[in-house]
Amino acid sequence: DSGVTQTPKHLITATGQRVTLRCSPRSGDLSVYWYQQSLDQGLQFLIQYYNGEERAKGNILERFSAQQFPDLHSELNLSSLELGDSALYFCASSVVPGAENEQYFGPGTRLTVT
Amino acid sequence: AQKVTQAQTEISVVEKEDVTLDCVYETRDTTYYLFWYKQPPSGELVFLIRRNSFDEQNEISGRYSWNFQKSTSSFNFTITASQVVDSAVYFCALSEFVQGGSEKLVFGKGTKLTVNP
Repeated sequence: DSGVTQTPKHLITATGQRVTLRCSPRSGDLSVYWYQQSLDQGLQFLIQYYNGEERAKGNILERFSAQQFPDLHSELNLSSLELGDSALYFCASSVVPGAENEQYFGPGTRLTVT
Repeated sequence: AQKVTQAQTEISVVEKEDVTLDCVYETRDTTYYLFWYKQPPSGELVFLIRRNSFDEQNEISGRYSWNFQKSTSSFNFTITASQVVDSAVYFCALSEFVQGGSEKLVFGKGTKLTVNP
């Protein structure tokens, strides 16, 4: 158990819908990362937050957005869902940004768009 | 941009065999980190090792060992005396600096290891 929690574990929804994925980092971690794992693209970095502010952006679609709240939990919002958005979405946390600090991954949220 | 190549898509071995998973990377950074993660069938990502680009010493942890060679841009992972519980997808990853002074992980496509009894 990494200490990072993600809810829900599974999510099934229809095309065009909007969903919210939630992540609670490990106690004491200030930085949160979101990754997408799909069959086509593999594991890809989406976005990073540090202490409530966006720190880095990766291959995140405009239909996707995220935020980190004062209590440091983070939410990833996916809207106008398409079949291709079906993937495993991981949240990771680290004490502070920087590759010298290990990223601890949560169990993931499996999103299925039908 | 940074790139990680894991040329072996799938490997199948019999229990107690040794197996090496290959990882080749490309980077323009002089300072970087390399990682290995394990993803068992349950789906979570489990951290195995982090290696700084300035530390080329090989590392051994139980049945696991890692060989880092900057000259060939490789960071290979060997499992000695493999066990059925080692069956998983293994990912090699490389840190990449991004705008804003932060870093992200760039992952390879992964190698699926199946250890048969």
